[in-house]
Amino acid sequence: AQTVTQSQPEMSVQEAETVTLSCTYDTSENNYYLFWYKQPPSRQMILVIRQEAYKQQNATENRFSVNFQKAAKSFSLKISDSQLGDTAMYFCALTSGTYKYIFGTGTRLKVLA
Amino acid sequence: DTGVSQNPRHKITKRGQNVTFRCDPISEHNRLYWYRQTLGQGPEFLTYFQNEAQLEKSRLLSDRFSAERPKGSFSTLEIQRTEQGDSAMYLCASSLVGGDEQYFGPGTRLTVT
Repeated sequence: AQTVTQSQPEMSVQEAETVTLSCTYDTSENNYYLFWYKQPPSRQMILVIRQEAYKQQNATENRFSVNFQKAAKSFSLKISDSQLGDTAMYFCALTSGTYKYIFGTGTRLKVLA
Repeated sequence: DTGVSQNPRHKITKRGQNVTFRCDPISEHNRLYWYRQTLGQGPEFLTYFQNEAQLEKSRLLSDRFSAERPKGSFSTLEIQRTEQGDSAMYLCASSLVGGDEQYFGPGTRLTVT
C-alpha cells in the first residue's frame, strides 16, 4: 500500500520569511510522481510543484522548491519570501500506475503580516 | 478552457434522501476522478473513469454510491439513502491519459442533517 504522511498539522511564518513543509511517503513502485498542492480557504486546489521520481534534480517553481530525498522517501516543500497569499492548506500527494492520487492529511500554513 | 466545474457547490439534505452531483471536466481530458475530503483530512480517492469506462473503484465507494460518465464527457456521482457520515466535500479532477497532473474542481460540499 502507498502512504503519504504530513506530520505538521499547522505552521505559521512571517511575511518575507522562509518556511519548509515536511512530507514522507512509502511506495514499492519505481516510477512515481510527487506533488504539492495548495488549497486556499474556500477555493479549489491548485498545483504548486511536481517531481518525477526518476529525476535527481530537485524541482523549482519561482519561490517554491522541493528537497527530494528518494532513499529516505522524503519530499519537503520550501517556500521562500512568503507572501500573505500563500496562506492555505498544503497537501503532499503521490501517484503511480493508475495515476490516482494518495494525499497526506495536509499542513495548514498561515503567513503573518 | 474554463477549468473543471462542479455543481452544485453546496448541498444540504436530510438523512435518507438521494443526492446527485455533477462534474464537467476540462474538455480534452479523458480521465476523470472523484475524491472525498472530510474535515481535517486530505482527499481520498473514490473512483476514476477513462472516457466512459469506470476503471477503478475504492472500497470507500459503498453500494449506496454510484458514478457514471456517459459519452465520456461530464460525470455524475449519486449517493442513495444518505447518512450523516456522508457529509464531506466531494472533489472532481480531470487529466489527460498519460498525464500525471490532475486539475481539480471547486468541490461540492454535502451536509447531511
